[in-house]
Amino acid sequence: GAVVSQHPSWVICKSGTSVKIECRSLDFQATTMFWYRQFPKQSLMLMATSNEGSKATYEQGVEKDKFLINHASLTLSTLTVTSAHPEDSSFYICSASISPRISEQYFGPGTRLTVT
Amino acid sequence: RKEVEQDPGPFNVPEGATVAFNCTYSNSASQSFFWYRQDCRKEPKLLMSVYSSGNEDGRFTAQLNRASQYISLLIRDSKLSDSATYLCVVNLGGNKLVFGAGTILRVKS
Repeated sequence: GAVVSQHPSWVICKSGTSVKIECRSLDFQATTMFWYRQFPKQSLMLMATSNEGSKATYEQGVEKDKFLINHASLTLSTLTVTSAHPEDSSFYICSASISPRISEQYFGPGTRLTVT
Repeated sequence: RKEVEQDPGPFNVPEGATVAFNCTYSNSASQSFFWYRQDCRKEPKLLMSVYSSGNEDGRFTAQLNRASQYISLLIRDSKLSDSATYLCVVNLGGNKLVFGAGTILRVKS
């Protein structure tokens, strides 16, 4: 149980275009979903926290207008990287939590974004 | 100062060896603690939670010292399949996880 999927797993796009990444909880309802970014040889950095039906909470230094997060249902959250630039190339990972009272998060397999 | 600090390694050990990783965290209000394992180009996977009383899961033992803000992971009888990056993770509350940069372990035959 507690499986989280991400799509796509790998994407290459041209500079200036937008990319949407989907995160789905397959066998449970996720009250909260999290979006992380990981650059090579660095730790995962939390970008934003989203709760179903409400606006996402972004971490300091993360541009909310550039990284659009939509959490339309208890099983789906999307991250859209708008006007992508080469410095946005990274490994984007989502995770989902069953309950605010449970700290364990279930991670998706990640999406590797390369912007050329 | 980083919120969670780990020795990046790599730790190169032979099969069967015992290896220990350490981690320190800066926020004394941190609420819960974990070790995750991450394989190359994969998502992190929960290895075990860490408690003050210490906890063991097979060959893995984790320990938390709240007074020193220090977390450890001990791996006994290392296997080739243990080769990975081990991430020390701290929950600051509200389900906000802060990850260390990880310690690389390479187990060689």
